[in-house]
Formats: sequence, structure tokens, C-alpha cells
Amino acid sequence: DGGITQSPKYLFRKEGQNVTLSCEQNLNHDAMYWYRQDPGQGLRLIYYSQIVNDFQKGDIAEGYSVSREKKESFPLTVTSAQKNPTAFYLCASSTAREDQPQHFGDGTRLSIL
Amino acid sequence: GQSLEQPSEVTAVEGAIVQINCTYQTSGFYGLSWYQQHDGGAPTFLSYNALDGLEETGRFSSFLSRSDSYGYLLLQELQMKDSASYFCAVRDGATNKLIFGTGTLLAVQP
Repeated sequence: DGGITQSPKYLFRKEGQNVTLSCEQNLNHDAMYWYRQDPGQGLRLIYYSQIVNDFQKGDIAEGYSVSREKKESFPLTVTSAQKNPTAFYLCASSTAREDQPQHFGDGTRLSIL
Repeated sequence: GQSLEQPSEVTAVEGAIVQINCTYQTSGFYGLSWYQQHDGGAPTFLSYNALDGLEETGRFSSFLSRSDSYGYLLLQELQMKDSASYFCAVRDGATNKLIFGTGTLLAVQP
């Protein structure tokens, strides 16, 4: 079955440490997205990529970095510059058609030690 | 800019009908989507409206009025498992980004 896989499900970060969240999809989607969700809040876009080797900043990109070297993969690095990283991180993918939905992974919950 | 407004919380009883409203401001409209998210889970797609009118999918229906920049999600025959957050979203045509509303937490009571 096609889908999006995020790993790990839970992640702990020490002060000053960079951590990388994995996102892999086998839906053959061109576009991929990273969102951050805080308790009781909506989804805020961190970065998105519409095609391999290209990505754009979303609304809250500071303190994060991404790469898109393969169509299937869109890893997110939470750097030490992100001072408040504790949140639920969701990866999504979609086709380019506006009537097609985004498909989400099950998320990674990041906490600070 | 683009923004969407939804009520923060709605409470209803099992078997009832509930309507969740969404108003939006967008520079280019490419359809209104609805997503459901259970606590701690991934959002899942419910419906998409590109044209005015009502779209029905089982117990869920979604309505759009482009002239009013307004839509709603209608849930009928509510079940306990419908307790979740519901998000409306519009797509930015230039960037293909989805802009999400802040979500409505629906609590279904026995």
C-alpha cells in the first residue's frame, strides 16, 4: 500500500543539538511539505518542495532546514537555532493538481530533554 | 495575505447534526478542503469544493459559496468517533501551498 512514513514517532533533543526527522513517500507525489503543530493549534508550514532539488520556505522556516535529493524523501532538520522545538511535526505529500488532497504521515513528536 | 476563520470549539450530542463554518480571505481561490484530525493522529482528507453548492459523502457534506467566501462542513448522525478537530484549508494557486484554518474541536457527547 502507498503512503507516507515518518520516523521516529518520538524524538528527544538535547540543548544545542541538531536532530533530523525522516519523511518517505511511495505515492509518486511531486510535492512534499513539513508542518508544525502546537497543542490546540492549527498546522503551520515550515518548508515545502514542489520538485526534486528545489524547496521553498514556508511561514516559520527559521531554525529549520530541509533537503530534497530524491522524489521519495524530504528530511527535516531541526537545528539548535530553533529555540522552541517542542511540537508535533507532520509531513505531507500531494500531486500538483489543486483538487487532489494532501496525504499526511503519522507525525513525529519532538521534545526537549 | 490569506486567512481562514473557524469556531474554536463545537459540542453536540450523539445522533445530532452539526455544522462547522469557515470563512476565508484569499488572493486566488482554488477550492476549499476539509480535513479531520483525531487527537495525536494525522489529518485525513474529508472533502473538496471547487464550485458553489453542496457535496455529499455519506454522513458528511461540505458546502461552498464563493461569492460569500464561506463554506461549511455538515456532519449528520453524529457518532462518538466523530470527536476530533476539523480544519478547513484553501490552496494558494501560485505556490500550491495549502493554507489551514486554526481548526474546530468537535466534542460529541452521549
